[in-house]
Amino acid sequence: ETGVTQSPTHLIKTRGQQVTLRCSSQSGHNTVSWYQQALGQGPQFIFQYYREEENGRGNFPPRFSGLQFPNYSSELNVNALELDDSALYLCASSYNSGIETQYFGPGTRLLVL
Amino acid sequence: TQLLEQSPQFLSIQEGENLTVYCNSSSVFSSLQWYRQEPGEGPVLLVTVVTGGEVKKLKRLTFQFGDARKDSSLHITAAQPGDTGLYLCGSGNQFYFGTGTSLTVIP
Repeated sequence: ETGVTQSPTHLIKTRGQQVTLRCSSQSGHNTVSWYQQALGQGPQFIFQYYREEENGRGNFPPRFSGLQFPNYSSELNVNALELDDSALYLCASSYNSGIETQYFGPGTRLLVL
Repeated sequence: TQLLEQSPQFLSIQEGENLTVYCNSSSVFSSLQWYRQEPGEGPVLLVTVVTGGEVKKLKRLTFQFGDARKDSSLHITAAQPGDTGLYLCGSGNQFYFGTGTSLTVIP
């Protein structure tokens, strides 16, 4: 059974640029959630996708957008990058939304200069 | 406003000591989860507590869910260096995480 993978592991961008982060969910999982985690803080929920539809969204502006594909992998897109977007971006997959156990990937560390 | 507040934020103790981490909220949750996160990795689920007053044990870790389902605690007995990490509580619907407690156990 393959775990949750994310790419790239690290990324450096400049203000105003756009970035796409990718997540492959664990085999058999149909739900992917994305989180932003500042250093030493808890993850902040960005949004969740369930069977290719957005299933919940946190307090993030519209320049944070996402997609889920038929194979349940997912992308997080951030436009017009700001310095405060520098963080670890985590994705987690689960079988169905709700209180099903979710499994996290190792994250993508984004630095915006 | 943080929905789940954890305390303490940082904790540095000697190997063999006991410690307790708290997760508090003014909201009622149907369940709460505890995770441990090590540097460079994503959080790993330790336990889910569902029933008010519930106590769960995982080796040297004891988790308790408050009677009113608004708070939870994690108690570690005889801490080991391998317990070092960021401990997070999270809501059962997985939309909210606590502020985190960074634990360092010194050999």
